[in-house]
Amino acid sequence: LAKTTQPISMDSYEGQEVNITCSHNNIATNDYITWYQQFPSQGPRFIIQGYKTKVTNEVASLFIPADRKSSTLSLPRVSLSDTAVYYCLVGDGQAGTALIFGKGTTLSVSS
Amino acid sequence: GAVVSQHPSRVICKSGTSVKIECRSLDFQATTMFWYRQFPKQSLMLMATSNEGSKATYEQGVEKDKFLINHASLTLSTLTVTSAHPEDSSFYICSASPDSKNIQYFGAGTRLSVL
Repeated sequence: LAKTTQPISMDSYEGQEVNITCSHNNIATNDYITWYQQFPSQGPRFIIQGYKTKVTNEVASLFIPADRKSSTLSLPRVSLSDTAVYYCLVGDGQAGTALIFGKGTTLSVSS
Repeated sequence: GAVVSQHPSRVICKSGTSVKIECRSLDFQATTMFWYRQFPKQSLMLMATSNEGSKATYEQGVEKDKFLINHASLTLSTLTVTSAHPEDSSFYICSASPDSKNIQYFGAGTRLSVL
């Protein structure tokens, strides 16, 4: 499994756009990039998954450059409720493969 | 999205007792489920992979006789913490995936406190 590196923490204010970058230099050809969000005392929640270029859903956008060695999770106009830990994971997407979590990025949104 | 239900959400028990945690996939079948443990301010740590109809696969350092896993059906996996001790107090979380891209859906977690 490709190792990922992301900032330990980030601070933002309500209404701002937040971009969290994840480095995965050893990503393999078959690997997908997946982001999860976790609130305290809850299980992680799937946010978005991508393989290349850009993916957008109702919650976030995921930007992946051509070399796929990094990815950026973009949260538009954050609110206080977006305060959480965000995890970037890279894996081949095969069913039955366990996820290995890194330390994640703690995002703190203030008013 | 897919739903994974986990019960109980919180349990307090005395040292030496056993505790069972259930993990159910409500709207899909899961041949494989995963169990994680999370200590305060730390990331999730994979404990074991639960396989329907076969023995679980445990990560290095996880005692299989202490953390019993049973995956008797395609929608239910259970984790039993046997002879629990205060150091077993933690947040336990299960997950399963309904699709080929391995997007995991997680239970809400179980907070275990051993007195």
